Amino acid sequence: QSVLTQPPSASGTPGQRVTISCSGSSSNIGSNTVNWYQQLPGTAPKLLIYSNNQRPSGVPDRFSGSKSGTSASLAISGLQSEDEADYYCAAWDDSLIWVFGGGTKLTVL
Amino acid sequence: QVTLRESGPALVKPTQTLTLTCTFSGFSLSTSGMCVSWIRQPPGKALEWLALIDWDDDKYYSTSLKTRLTISKDTSKNQVVLTMTNMDPVDTATYYCARTNWGTYYFDYWGQGTLVTVSS
Repeated sequence: QSVLTQPPSASGTPGQRVTISCSGSSSNIGSNTVNWYQQLPGTAPKLLIYSNNQRPSGVPDRFSGSKSGTSASLAISGLQSEDEADYYCAAWDDSLIWVFGGGTKLTVL
Repeated sequence: QVTLRESGPALVKPTQTLTLTCTFSGFSLSTSGMCVSWIRQPPGKALEWLALIDWDDDKYYSTSLKTRLTISKDTSKNQVVLTMTNMDPVDTATYYCARTNWGTYYFDYWGQGTLVTVSS
């Protein structure tokens, strides 16, 4: 049972915009920044969004993040087939632990 | 160029102790704010954070696993070691090490992971 709550699955057709939610509490998302990771099949997770809405160098601007209160969202616009992956949110918790979401499997139809 | 690489046994028996080593390059764990964490992922399941050690040798552990985990570092060798006692088949997972920093609060570099299977 993951501390952060994500929908187990999401889908969209090429070109569409898809959003993935991540719900937490006042001790994690409510008081610390949120990060998103993309995990392609058979590979290690890769940092996708940090500090709620910042993209590391090399991440396309089709990916964007936002945070409001104790929830965060990842949006992917102009969906492409190579975006098919698992997506995880994560945040530091004030109880001095890192917490992850349960992951969302994105399918490009 | 920052790299991390996990190493350890691919197979351990139930009740045994697992020892994993993360060997890294491109940064120093003696740099103020620098941290290395261990994170695992059972097959087909979600990521689970296990432990973190920082530049000042402060250590943090998963609430549910802290009685079984020990994290340590050897700064001179650029290595972080995780031991997990009393291994069980449910501990079968890919174990990753990843870098983070108290100033940034994200895992920016990950190792490729090492699959550990617990079976008799």
